[in-house]
Amino acid sequence: KAGVTQTPRYLIKTRGQQVTLSCSPISGHRSVSWYQQTPGQGLQFLFEYFSETQRNKGNFPGRFSGRQFSNSRSEMNVSTLELGDSALYLCASSLGSRAAETQYFGPGTRLLVL
Amino acid sequence: AQSVTQLGSHVSVSEGALVLLRCNYSSSVPPYLFWYVQYPNQGLQLLLKYTTGATLVKGINGFEAEFKKSETSFHLTKPSAHMSDAAEYFCAVSAQGGSEKLVFGKGMKLTVNP
Repeated sequence: KAGVTQTPRYLIKTRGQQVTLSCSPISGHRSVSWYQQTPGQGLQFLFEYFSETQRNKGNFPGRFSGRQFSNSRSEMNVSTLELGDSALYLCASSLGSRAAETQYFGPGTRLLVL
Repeated sequence: AQSVTQLGSHVSVSEGALVLLRCNYSSSVPPYLFWYVQYPNQGLQLLLKYTTGATLVKGINGFEAEFKKSETSFHLTKPSAHMSDAAEYFCAVSAQGGSEKLVFGKGMKLTVNP
């Protein structure tokens, strides 16, 4: 089975722009979660989608949003980019939404905001 | 709410020596505990997890961890370090009904010296 894929792998944007990142989960997985990883804050949960509905949301401003499509693929969008948004954005998928389920991570999208 | 503490950020061991990475958690409900490993420029890979049942959990690459409820700990060990174990290790907690899918510790960078 193919793993979690994320596109693009690298991205450079300037302040004020917006960006859309894409995640394709493992086939059959219906839950997709997004995380932000930075040297200062570590790994932080952004949000989770299950069956096209947002199930949980972390403590991030409204500039961060996401959605999930009927094929379970997910996108996250960051509007009005700030320098502090530079990070590795990781997507993870799991079969369902139960807390005990293993999440499988993609390689991440590295975003640099100039 | 859940939280994870990984004291320190770096640990260095000699090849063949014991690896011990400490993790303490806080959770108001029964926790599910995970250890993930991240190699440079890659996503996270699950090493092992504890949900219920046996408190000593064996994972991949010779790692194991023991859930100790009385100490709120889930320390990761490996009897003999290998050069290929050099990576960053993250302890994480989740709980049913939690607002965040996974809450991660700050991570521990493991260096293995020849």
